[in-house]
Amino acid sequence: AQSVAQPEDQVNVAEGNPLTVKCTYSVSGNPYLFWYVQYPNRGLQFLLKYITGDNLVKGSYGFEAEFNKSQTSFHLKKPSALVSDSALYFCAVRDKGYQKVTFGIGTKLQVIP
Amino acid sequence: DGGITQSPKYLFRKEGQNVTLSCEQNLNHDAMYWYRQDPGQGLRLIYYSQIVNDFQKGDIAEGYSVSREKKESFPLTVTSAQKNPTAFYLCASKTLTPGDEQFFGPGTRLTVL
Repeated sequence: AQSVAQPEDQVNVAEGNPLTVKCTYSVSGNPYLFWYVQYPNRGLQFLLKYITGDNLVKGSYGFEAEFNKSQTSFHLKKPSALVSDSALYFCAVRDKGYQKVTFGIGTKLQVIP
Repeated sequence: DGGITQSPKYLFRKEGQNVTLSCEQNLNHDAMYWYRQDPGQGLRLIYYSQIVNDFQKGDIAEGYSVSREKKESFPLTVTSAQKNPTAFYLCASKTLTPGDEQFFGPGTRLTVL
């Protein structure tokens, strides 16, 4: 079985400050990990993924995430938040031996001007 | 432009009626997915298909049906057996490469009156 947890329903951060959106996962084997962003009444957009290799992954719009195997985490980060980053963020995991992707419940990011 | 289209954007249905949501992709992707999104519950998988004329149930298939007669198309029918169909429905596609990300359509918001 595979699962993913996003422990914060909402994260508030001031514009210009660094942001972190947390994600932890559980798989039986090695994971594929993904972050997506959703703006209101829109579909999800892919931000970045970890497949293998370097634990620090860089993605779209200045976002990055760090794969931490010992803590089973894949937190999303950005050095300086923009108001336009305000959206719903989803973490997703796929066990390499599994066909389906499991999504977290989402974290709403609010960047305050 | 390559991408996924979903229609209609908004759909209203009376109780007891079946309704079909359209999903088309021109990305030449083999795999297609239907998700349901409800507030606070993330994305839940309804059905998925990895090849024409074949599809598998996801986690919440009861009350839904699909077909995959063409590679580009994966329509979802919400039947009268679905007890609480009001939700935001998202279609996605991807290649069969395990680590590749999913591409999402813009969604259809279904409201049962």
